[in-house]
Amino acid sequence: EAGVVQSPRYKIIEKKQPVAFWCNPISGHNTLYWYRQNLGQGPELLIRYENEEAVDDSQLPKDRFSAERLKGVDSTLKIQPAELGDSAVYLCASSVEGPRSEQFFGPGTRLTVL
Amino acid sequence: GNSVTQMEGPVTLSEEAFLTINCTYTATGYPSLFWYVQYPGEGLQLLLKATKADDKGSNKGFEATYRKETTSFHLEKGSVQVSDSAVYFCALSRDDKIIFGKGTRLHILP
Repeated sequence: EAGVVQSPRYKIIEKKQPVAFWCNPISGHNTLYWYRQNLGQGPELLIRYENEEAVDDSQLPKDRFSAERLKGVDSTLKIQPAELGDSAVYLCASSVEGPRSEQFFGPGTRLTVL
Repeated sequence: GNSVTQMEGPVTLSEEAFLTINCTYTATGYPSLFWYVQYPGEGLQLLLKATKADDKGSNKGFEATYRKETTSFHLEKGSVQVSDSAVYFCALSRDDKIIFGKGTRLHILP
């Protein structure tokens, strides 16, 4: 069974540029999560989807971040414009149903904003 | 609010030593508790979990017991191996929210 797939694995951009990350969760997993992990910190939830509905986006900086999961399968997270402080690893995870079930994480996208 | 505090690393041990990584939490009610592990170059993966007080989660020789009275979920292993070198994250889930600790880096020397 394929795991959670993320692309790209690495991205270097200049500040004020846009950037997008893509995630394909494990087949059959209804719940999809986007996290941001700063260096030396644990993952912090940005947004959680149940199927195609964003059920928790309270930590998503909506002035510059956006996300979509149009068909309830794969998802895209976008930052526009990027700021220096956005440098981090962006993790995608999926679970069968909800945060109480085991989450399966992708390898992450390491973003560097110059 | 809900929070997780785990011991700071790095923790360096010799092979076959006993391991404890402390984790305490703050939460209302009865959260579910997890330990995730991140091996070098890989994504986080669930190591073990416990969903109610006095439950013991175990996997790959690691154990953690859900202690409601001390609000703790300490990770233990009786004899560590070099292959256990990784970053370990304690996490809780409550009210459909999950919160991770900062992680503890573990180095095992041969």
